[in-house]
Amino acid sequence: DAGITQSPRHKVTETGTPVTLRCHQTENHRYMYWYRQDPGHGLRLIHYSYGVKDTDKGEVSDGYSVSRSKTEDFLLTLESATSSQTSVYFCAIRRQGQVEAFFGQGTRLTVV
Amino acid sequence: TQLLEQSPQFLSIQEGENLTVYCNSSSVFSSLQWYRQEPGEGPVLLVTVVTGGEVKKLKRLTFQFGDARKDSSLHITAAQPGDTGLYLCAGATGAQKLVFGQGTRLTINP
Repeated sequence: DAGITQSPRHKVTETGTPVTLRCHQTENHRYMYWYRQDPGHGLRLIHYSYGVKDTDKGEVSDGYSVSRSKTEDFLLTLESATSSQTSVYFCAIRRQGQVEAFFGQGTRLTVV
Repeated sequence: TQLLEQSPQFLSIQEGENLTVYCNSSSVFSSLQWYRQEPGEGPVLLVTVVTGGEVKKLKRLTFQFGDARKDSSLHITAAQPGDTGLYLCAGATGAQKLVFGQGTRLTINP
């Protein structure tokens, strides 16, 4: 257990509204990641962070922004939600010096 | 973009049979991981392979990393219903990122 909590676990929102998902970790790991999971696509990286206020884009970053103002929290914001952003979102952490990722339980987001 | 292609994407077999899942890429990775995911949960790490040609065994599961570090395979011997799940391979890049394959959904029928 890497002490990762995602909130909310489920959310339904309307097209055009902003949405923020939260990832909280209790072990002060440096690296944090946001992925989305869709059928047939596996896990695709949205954004990642390698320290407080240090973030970078992944392969599917359009329409998403992130913030990391403290080590334990990594926020993912959908600036104006669209139906194509309906997905399951996973947060992951990676320990310094290791390559393996440890995942939260996911947030199922539905945009109607 | 570094891509990982998994095959097959779906596999349904009878209990007791053997199976192999493949993870291929045109890119070289510093390491490859295999994860297993249950419905409603996040992926959980099974194994990491680092050295080209490396073979690791985890009970009835055998993982192999290709000599050129571009591909990997997962072989399950005498599959059991408890092996049912989504299997994902992931490759570590030099840029601190993990790239995932699209997954293999495995169903073991009693």
